[in-house]
Amino acid sequence: GESVGLHLPTLSVQEGDNSIINCAYSNSASDYFIWYKQESGKGPQFIIDIRSNMDKRQGQRVTVLLNKTVKHLSLQIAATQPGDSAVYFCAEKANQGGKLIFGQGTELSVKP
Amino acid sequence: EADIYQTPRYLVIGTGKKITLECSQTMGHDKMYWYQQDPGMELHLIHYSYGVNSTEKGDLSSESTVSRIRTEHFPLTLESARPSHTSQYLCASSEWRQGDETQYFGPGTRLLVL
Repeated sequence: GESVGLHLPTLSVQEGDNSIINCAYSNSASDYFIWYKQESGKGPQFIIDIRSNMDKRQGQRVTVLLNKTVKHLSLQIAATQPGDSAVYFCAEKANQGGKLIFGQGTELSVKP
Repeated sequence: EADIYQTPRYLVIGTGKKITLECSQTMGHDKMYWYQQDPGMELHLIHYSYGVNSTEKGDLSSESTVSRIRTEHFPLTLESARPSHTSQYLCASSEWRQGDETQYFGPGTRLLVL
């Protein structure tokens, strides 16, 4: 069945370093992917999205990479800051109007 | 910042009580969703709606029910709360137009059933 998963449940980085959070998906028909950030006690917050016709998209300090060949998605955070500490979720959508399928989160901890 | 609101933020209630979790959005979004999330775990879709008078069950079986009488309002009701219902409930909404499928989330309701 469809599934979205993350390789690591936790990631610890030093402040100022770059962070890379990975996600694997199994449905090759998925055409839309989103990264969310969820801070403790809050709802998920949109970070960046990417469509399947792209392999890279950049935002402010964040980059999402999509490798459709191996069904892999990653989120790169440049110059990680303490405020980036949160749980990060990837999600995929298979078709127009379809539901989002969320993977397990990766908890990012930033050490000062 | 998304204009989507949930009340209450926290609720502690006894077994057997009827509860309604409120969700409202002021963005005029057609699609709305309810997710259930245990701490640190992935989100599971329990209900969604394409618009007024539309409600659908999600991927995770739930004993809750929803209604969509107004575009901006999507309440979730548990007729008889049980300890197994203890969880966080997240409401979300999205546009229904090609090119913008981002779901915007409310702050969540943390429910504890004793």
